[in-house]
Amino acid sequence: GESVGLHLPTLSVQEGDNSIINCAYSNSASDYFIWYKQESGKGPQFIIDIRSNMDKRQGQRVTVLLNKTVKHLSLQIAATQPGDSAVYFCAENAMGGSARQLTFGSGTQLTVLP
Amino acid sequence: DAGITQSPRHKVTETGTPVTLRCHQTENHRYMYWYRQDPGHGLRLIHYSYGVKDTDKGEVSDGYSVSRSKTEDFLLTLESATSSQTSVYFCAISREDQPQHFGDGTRLSIL
Repeated sequence: GESVGLHLPTLSVQEGDNSIINCAYSNSASDYFIWYKQESGKGPQFIIDIRSNMDKRQGQRVTVLLNKTVKHLSLQIAATQPGDSAVYFCAENAMGGSARQLTFGSGTQLTVLP
Repeated sequence: DAGITQSPRHKVTETGTPVTLRCHQTENHRYMYWYRQDPGHGLRLIHYSYGVKDTDKGEVSDGYSVSRSKTEDFLLTLESATSSQTSVYFCAISREDQPQHFGDGTRLSIL
């Protein structure tokens, strides 16, 4: 079946280094992708999104890359800080029923080491 | 977050009892969603609403019902709670073709 998955369940990086979190998707009908950050005890927080007519989008310290040929999505965090430690989810958003629906991956736990 | 309030934040109840969770928004967004989050499964969609009195099923809707009588409120009901419904429940809201924004969740334990 269609799925969104993450290559690695955990990622540890040194403070100040760049982080790259990867995601594979399989639904070719997905045309909108979102990255969320979830801290312990809180709901997912929107980080950045990208539509399928783009291959790169930049935010503040974050960049999302989309490779539609291999159905791959990545989130790059520059100069990773302790506050970036969290679980990161990618989600693909496709029209289903009467509204767009998100399909989430299982998440990657990012740990920033001092 | 994003003008979303979920209540209660924590609840412990017994198998077979009815449970209602409330999501309240102050953003006047058209779309509202209920998800559950379990270890190893990420977030899974239970039900969603695309307007007042307009709702539809998601991936894991069995055992759940919803109602939306006002734009700002979306209720999730477990008619007869089972232990398999122990989970963290998240409400989300969105505008047309915009990212969903989530509340801080309700932790529900069914003994």
